[in-house]
Amino acid sequence: GENVEQHPSTLSVQEGDSAVIKCTYSDSASNYFPWYKQELGKRPQLIIDIRSNVGEKKDQRIAVTLNKTAKHFSLHITETQPEDSAVYFCAGASGGSYIPTFGRGTSLIVHP
Amino acid sequence: DAGVIQSPRHEVTEMGQEVTLRCKPISGHNSLFWYRQTMMRGLELLIYFNNNVPIDDSGMPEDRFSAKMPNASFSTLKIQPSEPRDSAVYFCASTAGGPNEKLFFGSGTQLSVL
Repeated sequence: GENVEQHPSTLSVQEGDSAVIKCTYSDSASNYFPWYKQELGKRPQLIIDIRSNVGEKKDQRIAVTLNKTAKHFSLHITETQPEDSAVYFCAGASGGSYIPTFGRGTSLIVHP
Repeated sequence: DAGVIQSPRHEVTEMGQEVTLRCKPISGHNSLFWYRQTMMRGLELLIYFNNNVPIDDSGMPEDRFSAKMPNASFSTLKIQPSEPRDSAVYFCASTAGGPNEKLFFGSGTQLSVL
């Protein structure tokens, strides 16, 4: 099955700085890579996703890049705001059944 | 649409008791997932249903766990007997068109087994 590694586990930044979270995956057949944001006590919610036919996708202050050769993808948040503070999960889809396997999560703290 | 609905929101029980968690997926979604979230292990997939049929239950920890989906609008996750190490947040999620799509999560059930 798929194995997704996520780093760092905790990321602390000042408001206005950029934040980058990185994930690697093991299954070269994976073709869908979503990112979920989970605020404290809430449910995970999709914020952006990318499929393997593109290398980058952007939505306002967030972007995701994908390197299929190296089997890694990253979430980039620019001009961070306190409301960006949350746990962020990456996921890869295991080969065959494409069931999403989640990374361990990154706790992002944005200091005002 | 009200989204994915889970009940109860919180469950406190004693070790050895049976626990039943419930989920109503979004109408029209044909894939349903049960995940367990803990600090130690993150989000773990327990079981995945497609068109009410269990496709992958390799994540179910042991025989104490069972899940059913009798129809397209209802699923249960049962733990019998429950143990303290089962304490976690259990999420149900659904998608339209299969697992390679956006997951819509329910609010989760916070389970505490004393």
